[in-house]
Amino acid sequence: GQSLEQPSEVTAVEGAIVQINCTYQTSGFYGLSWYQQHDGGAPTFLSYNGLDGLEETGRFSSFLSRSDSYGYLLLQELQMKDSASYFCAVRAFSGNTPLVFGKGTRLSVIA
Amino acid sequence: NAGVTQTPKFQVLKTGQSMTLQCAQDMNHNSMYWYRQDPGMGLRLIYYSASEGTTDKGEVPNGYNVSRLNKREFSLRLESAAPSQTSVYFCASGQGRANQPQHFGDGTRLSIL
Repeated sequence: GQSLEQPSEVTAVEGAIVQINCTYQTSGFYGLSWYQQHDGGAPTFLSYNGLDGLEETGRFSSFLSRSDSYGYLLLQELQMKDSASYFCAVRAFSGNTPLVFGKGTRLSVIA
Repeated sequence: NAGVTQTPKFQVLKTGQSMTLQCAQDMNHNSMYWYRQDPGMGLRLIYYSASEGTTDKGEVPNGYNVSRLNKREFSLRLESAAPSQTSVYFCASGQGRANQPQHFGDGTRLSIL
């Protein structure tokens, strides 16, 4: 089976940097993804890491270390609109298999 | 560009009633998925369809059935609703490839009394 661990809540100040960690245990591994979900909304895709290293998309970056079964999402220059839940997700098998999601980290950005 | 469309958006049922949640996607995706989301539990997979004509159980399939009607549509049926099935249900679609994202509908908020 697969399991993912991420902190349940994080609070950070507007303009600051925050890192949300994710550790996983899977029987196979075909990449780590991150999704954002605002209250009352649908999850939306943020980033994907298939190989070790850092992927950058604007203010958001995601990192993966396959040897450590660990990844993180880094949000820079935090804005109030970044207040949301963030989910890491793994695809454990190749082919048309679904993502398995962590329980999510609720990020609160305060002034 | 509609993406993934779910109907209805809200529904209240009584225990024992049946209901079908509808989902359609217009992105020509091969794979479709049904998740439920409960507070503090993240997104849990109920059933998925890797391609037209196939369906498979996910983590929490008990009490549900699905039908992949065609490539665009994937429905979720509750035959005899129970209060434990009160949740937000999300349909998603994707190409099923590792580096391809899943696209989610806006969800169906279902309450069972």
